[in-house]
Amino acid sequence: GENVEQHPSTLSVQEGDSAVIKCTYSDSASNYFPWYKQELGKRPQLIIDIRSNVGEKKDQRIAVTLNKTAKHFSLHITETQPEDSAVYFCAASINSGYSTLTFGKGTMLLVSP
Amino acid sequence: SAVISQKPSRDICQRGTSLTIQCQVDSQVTMMFWYRQQPGQSLTLIATANQGSEATYESGFVIDKFPISRPNLTFSTLTVSNMSPEDSSIYLCSALGLAVQETQYFGPGTRLLVL
Repeated sequence: GENVEQHPSTLSVQEGDSAVIKCTYSDSASNYFPWYKQELGKRPQLIIDIRSNVGEKKDQRIAVTLNKTAKHFSLHITETQPEDSAVYFCAASINSGYSTLTFGKGTMLLVSP
Repeated sequence: SAVISQKPSRDICQRGTSLTIQCQVDSQVTMMFWYRQQPGQSLTLIATANQGSEATYESGFVIDKFPISRPNLTFSTLTVSNMSPEDSSIYLCSALGLAVQETQYFGPGTRLLVL
């Protein structure tokens, strides 16, 4: 089955800096890669996703890149703010999301003012 | 995106008892899933709730321990049976909408403590 590795497990940055979280996946059939943000005590919220027919997607301060050959994808957050502090999970699935998601172990991002 | 609610939001239960968690979606969805998230951990898929048929369980999860129902396209239940303290966790449902290239959205979770 699919295996998703996520790094780093924790990331501390100063407000205004950029943050990068990286994930690798094992199943070359995977073609859908969402990112979720989970604040303490809250549900995971989808923040951005990418499908294998594109290499990069951007939404304001958030971007995701995908390298299918290397089987890795990354989340980039620019101009970080304290409210970006949360746990971020990457995930992968086949069939454009119409199948089960395999999650990475999560990255705790702490943005200090 | 669909709006997903869960009941109860939290509960404290005695070992050996069972708890049924409800998940309600405000619109018809194609697929519903149940996850477990232990404190400080990632999300682990328990099963896919299939409408009108038996759920599809992931490795390590069995129907006798986690019976699931999905009587229609907007509602599902997960029962945690014969609970032990190791079952203390957050249980989340998620749903996949009917739109093309839809994605999974999560309910608020049920925080379960077993004493």
